[in-house]
Amino acid sequence: DIQMTQSPSTLSASVGDRVTITCRASQSISSWLAWYQQKPGKAPKLLIYKASNLESGVPSRFSGSGSGTEFTLTISSLQPDDIATYYCQQYNSYSLTFGGGTKVEIK
Amino acid sequence: QVQLVESGGGVVQPGRSLRLSCAASGFSFSSYGMHWVRQAPGKGLEWVAVISYDGSNKYYTDSVKGRFTISRDNSKNTLFLQMNSLRAEDTAVYYCAKAGGEPAAKYNWFDPWGQGTLVTVSS
Repeated sequence: DIQMTQSPSTLSASVGDRVTITCRASQSISSWLAWYQQKPGKAPKLLIYKASNLESGVPSRFSGSGSGTEFTLTISSLQPDDIATYYCQQYNSYSLTFGGGTKVEIK
Repeated sequence: QVQLVESGGGVVQPGRSLRLSCAASGFSFSSYGMHWVRQAPGKGLEWVAVISYDGSNKYYTDSVKGRFTISRDNSKNTLFLQMNSLRAEDTAVYYCAKAGGEPAAKYNWFDPWGQGTLVTVSS
């Protein structure tokens, strides 16, 4: 199985800060990567698919980049509503696998 | 809009069985693969199983192979997960999710997700 490693596991930043989360795959997955946002007690919500495609309705402050084994999710200006845990997921092969998550907090 | 509603969760003893359901609406259910994903309390997300649009192909994560069975009834727009020989480590919120992207794609992201149903395996 492809292992997905996210960093950091926890991130504390101020409102308005630029925030970057990294996801590394144990082997190349081309651009077959998605990002999700999960708020406490809620189901995950798709943010980005195919590494850099913004899902309809998702604020433009979210962006994704990368290919191969290294990917990033960037929030250009952190807002209070962005407090959540973020997960990456590869869909290059079965088993489909997720990163361990990054919890974003407000400083 | 697309809606997925899971049901069937509850408390069950180790070794027993449980069947989860996911009622789908708002899209052409019979055209899309469907997934189950779970999340243990306080933990991350784990993909469990997928079934193709017509039920002809199914894949499972290793830890549930031989114990869980995914199925679907396209006439009733419903997805199922039959869970046998349950273990404490199967305790989790179970989400159903629609395969994202083109219906013909073999591998998918998940979009959208249902609200989840909690399964607790405990004596």
